[in-house]
Amino acid sequence: ILLTQSPGTLSLSPGERAALSCRASQSVDYNQVGWYQQKPGQAPKLLIYGASARAAGIPDRFRGSGSGRDFTLTISRLEPEDFAVYYCQQYDDSHITFGQGTRLQI
Amino acid sequence: QVQLQESGPGLVKPSETLSLTCSVSGNSVASGDYWGWLRQSPGKGPEWIGTIHHSGIAFYNPSLNSRVSISLDTSNNQFFLVLTSVTAADTAVYYCARDPNVAYFLNWGRGALVTVSS
Repeated sequence: ILLTQSPGTLSLSPGERAALSCRASQSVDYNQVGWYQQKPGQAPKLLIYGASARAAGIPDRFRGSGSGRDFTLTISRLEPEDFAVYYCQQYDDSHITFGQGTRLQI
Repeated sequence: QVQLQESGPGLVKPSETLSLTCSVSGNSVASGDYWGWLRQSPGKGPEWIGTIHHSGIAFYNPSLNSRVSISLDTSNNQFFLVLTSVTAADTAVYYCARDPNVAYFLNWGRGALVTVSS
């Protein structure tokens, strides 16, 4: 399953709301979609799994939604530390793929 | 707190074999978790390489399947990646990671840069 993220780059200011999109080439069974945040020189960090469940310790300003082929990561009230690259990921039939990423910049 | 650490050569010659070790602390590779390898080329998204469970279940990225093997050493709490016949396209930062439920990578190592060059 191919994942296409949009937009490629999103320019916003602290305090604003961000909406990042991830579209799958076919329906993802059981909505097994996750979202990761990656900062320069660091490994990706899991934010959301199962399309909408937050991983432990993730602030509630991060919200995942969607089903089937279309999924969204929403970040309300952007904090300075939220500016990073975000990747969606899917799991289906013992295969895992990632999107190409959305860069969220100030 | 689970910690993972990749180790291995940082430079591999074309056509040779890339071998990496992931040392795990704070959890046992013989637990119910899955353990995976991923890589990331500069400016690109992560690419999943493969995942293994101590029961012997292993599954791999179809694009690498013929060249990749992942194994476990429960006595030393490590798991391993072997990638054969490497080319420049295999140059990347390689990560090992813990997957609690076969679908998502919750804990990651810091990554190891491997360059394929003569």
